[in-house]
Amino acid sequence: EPEVTQTPSHQVTQMGQEVILRCVPISNHLYFYWYRQILGQKVEFLVSFYNNEISEKSEIFDDQFSVERPDGSNFTLKIRSTKLEDSAMYFCASRRTGFEQYFGPGTRLTVT
Amino acid sequence: AQSVAQPEDQVNVAEGNPLTVKCTYSVSGNPYLFWYVQYPNRGLQFLLKYITGDNLVKGSYGFEAEFNKSQTSFHLKKPSALVSDSALYFCAVRDNQNAGNMLTFGGGTRLMVKP
Repeated sequence: EPEVTQTPSHQVTQMGQEVILRCVPISNHLYFYWYRQILGQKVEFLVSFYNNEISEKSEIFDDQFSVERPDGSNFTLKIRSTKLEDSAMYFCASRRTGFEQYFGPGTRLTVT
Repeated sequence: AQSVAQPEDQVNVAEGNPLTVKCTYSVSGNPYLFWYVQYPNRGLQFLLKYITGDNLVKGSYGFEAEFNKSQTSFHLKKPSALVSDSALYFCAVRDNQNAGNMLTFGGGTRLMVKP
């Protein structure tokens, strides 16, 4: 059964550094998403991406964040200058044309 | 704005007993409702959805959920719990008027099934 994959599983970085989180959505999916979950808090929407452009973004997704689909398979989330409060589990999700989104296992980002 | 509430942080049930995990929602338009389950060190796995039609929807692993429009609820149920059902369960809603299709999640409910 096809799955969404994410790398790395855990990323440790220093405050102010740039990080890129990588996702490989399910191959024939068309809509792509990033969510995050700060420890002990709700899963929060960050951004949705369709047809090579952002279709919606939340207040969290400020100028420090960007997304890209550099080729036909990868979908990346870049944080330009990380802050302590960016420490969270980041989930990538994708869907084709149905309603349900399929999630990857997540990347745990720790900013020190 | 859309929102989801899961009033119970944890639900404890004995194996073989029925279980219910509660969820209420708020949306502007008609809701699309989802349940996801998260096992340790795993991503969110889709369990079931309500889009339209029959208020009782069936999903994976014997789970079902009942949509109640008047009570704005979408409670997850299973007639007979298994120890392996122990996990974190998330209810989510999408407003059908939302162009970006973002999901809004509840805070999650930890289900503990004891042998």
